[in-house]
Amino acid sequence: GAVVSQHPSRVICKSGTSVKIECRSLDFQATTMFWYRQFPKQSLMLMATSNEGSKATYEQGVEKDKFLINHASLTLSTLTVTSAHPEDSSFYICSARGATVGSTDTQYFGPGTRLTVL
Amino acid sequence: KQEVTQIPAALSVPEGENLVLNCSFTDSAIYNLQWFRQDPGKGLTSLLLIQSSQREQTSGRLNASLDKSSGRSTLYIAASQPGDSATYLCAVGGQAGTALIFGKGTTLSVSS
Repeated sequence: GAVVSQHPSRVICKSGTSVKIECRSLDFQATTMFWYRQFPKQSLMLMATSNEGSKATYEQGVEKDKFLINHASLTLSTLTVTSAHPEDSSFYICSARGATVGSTDTQYFGPGTRLTVL
Repeated sequence: KQEVTQIPAALSVPEGENLVLNCSFTDSAIYNLQWFRQDPGKGLTSLLLIQSSQREQTSGRLNASLDKSSGRSTLYIAASQPGDSATYLCAVGGQAGTALIFGKGTTLSVSS
């Protein structure tokens, strides 16, 4: 149980286009989802925290108008990279936390999305 | 602000060796600590989760310890195998429901 999926797994786009990444909790309701970004040989850095039905909370230095996050349901959060540029090329990973899944406040991670902007 | 450091950054060992990966964190007020494995270009695989009230967790050949007061955790891998080659990430949770803060990882290479 407690599976999180991401789609797409890999995307290549041209500079200036927008890309949407989906994060789904498949078998539980995710009250909170987190979006992380990982540059090559670097650690995962939190971008934003998304609670169902409310606006996302962005970390310092992350442009909320560039990285649009929508958490419209308890099983789906989306991250849209608007007007993507080559420096946005990275590995984007989401995690989901469900209050009903176990009792240890575990976060379940998606498999990640590799974004390459040409 | 919580900072997580992992030492060493890279480690190469021959098959069969026992090894220890280190993780330290600056703020001892953590909720839990988790060790992950990441294969190149892939997502995260959770290995062990230690709650702040626990001292250690074990799963197969893996044993993770936690010393909150000193801000340290270790991941012990017994009888290493080539299949253990990957990057190992340590992450701490500050409060229930908050995001994890990750270290940069230790890249392990086990040669046969």
